[in-house]
Amino acid sequence: EPEVTQTPSHQVTQMGQEVILRCVPISNHLYFYWYRQILGQKVEFLVSFYNNEISEKSEIFDDQFSVERPDGSNFTLKIRSTKLEDSAMYFCAGGNTEAFFGQGTRLTVV
Amino acid sequence: GESVGLHLPTLSVQEGDNSIINCAYSNSASDYFIWYKQESGKGPQFIIDIRSNMDKRQGQRVTVLLNKTVKHLSLQIAATQPGDSAVYFCAENAFGVSGTYKYIFGTGTRLKVLA
Repeated sequence: EPEVTQTPSHQVTQMGQEVILRCVPISNHLYFYWYRQILGQKVEFLVSFYNNEISEKSEIFDDQFSVERPDGSNFTLKIRSTKLEDSAMYFCAGGNTEAFFGQGTRLTVV
Repeated sequence: GESVGLHLPTLSVQEGDNSIINCAYSNSASDYFIWYKQESGKGPQFIIDIRSNMDKRQGQRVTVLLNKTVKHLSLQIAATQPGDSAVYFCAENAFGVSGTYKYIFGTGTRLKVLA
């Protein structure tokens, strides 16, 4: 059964460094999403991506964040200058009407 | 300062009993809903969905009920098993300003199955 794949599973980075979180969505999906979950809290919407462009973003998704789908398969989330409060699980999801989630990348900013 | 995690409502049920998890959603225009199960350290796992033109949908051991009048969803799990222990989230599909969908998650309920 196809699944959404995220790498790495855990990333530790110094504050101020750039990180790129990677996702390989399921191939026939049209909509892609990034979500964030701070430890013990609810899953928060960051951004949706459709037809190779951002379709919607939340107030969390500020100028430090960007998304790309550079080669038609990989879907990346970049955080330009990480802050301590960016530490969270980041989930990629994709679907057509439903949304299927990857296993997440745990980002730890130290 | 130290960050404190959100206190999740917890439902404890005996193995073999039925579980009912409730969720209130916010947007009366939402037309599609999903229940997700999240085990510790894993991503949300799709359980069952329902469209707003239905008020009940059944899957294997799970049933979702939708009451649009009071904007309420429930997830019923029959014959709850230890493997059902997890956090359960409802998500509403809110049609965004750009004309595409995004999923807004509820707070979540922790289900504990007692042996």
